[in-house]
Amino acid sequence: KNEVEQSPQNLTAQEGEFITINCSYSVGISALHWLQQHPGGGIVSLFMLSSGKKKHGRLIATINIQEKHSSLHITASHPRDSAVYICAVDVRRLRRTGNQFYFGTGTSLTVIP
Amino acid sequence: EAGVTQFPSHSVIEKGQTVTLRCDPISGHDNLYWYRRVMGKEIKFLLHFVKESKQDESGMPNNRFLAERTGGTYSTLKVQPAELEDSGVYFCASSAPRYPGQADYGYTFGSGTRLTVV
Repeated sequence: KNEVEQSPQNLTAQEGEFITINCSYSVGISALHWLQQHPGGGIVSLFMLSSGKKKHGRLIATINIQEKHSSLHITASHPRDSAVYICAVDVRRLRRTGNQFYFGTGTSLTVIP
Repeated sequence: EAGVTQFPSHSVIEKGQTVTLRCDPISGHDNLYWYRRVMGKEIKFLLHFVKESKQDESGMPNNRFLAERTGGTYSTLKVQPAELEDSGVYFCASSAPRYPGQADYGYTFGSGTRLTVV
């Protein structure tokens, strides 16, 4: 079982829809990252969260440390939001060296005009 | 402040050839990590440098992969000879050293190198 579970794996939405991607994890973390991977492969870091909520433009990320759960919301979705969204948890509290991240398998989002 | 830079952004090579990927971390970041995402699968850890030393290379898939970080600045990841299954996105991340009592700091991810082996 993965330490990080994302859902859904694939998501198709109509332009303008409100989108939610969920991430659950099973380990103690220092922080949680939401990453965006575009079709060309490039990775962009969207958010780093250790508590509460953050907002950048149409993107909102929340985290509930007690429930070990985070959500990424996209309001008024647009075709340019089409990408793979990846949840990654920073486990530096558990490990000082080596692999300090566990990654979800990603959610592939397609927004149709 | 410049971010983590990787190049090339995309490389297409034939099976059996050699490819070298480069990652330039944020200046002053002692920690440098390499990761790989193969199509449709989750991102996997490859290795961790602290300055020029390999702290953990347990994720390196086999001896066709060689990572170096001479002088503790930029790092290279060489694949020789490349195989079809090596195709994927290779990306790195860097972070500053952490000292006792220091607040958590963030990682900065590079945008990745998309490697296609044909």
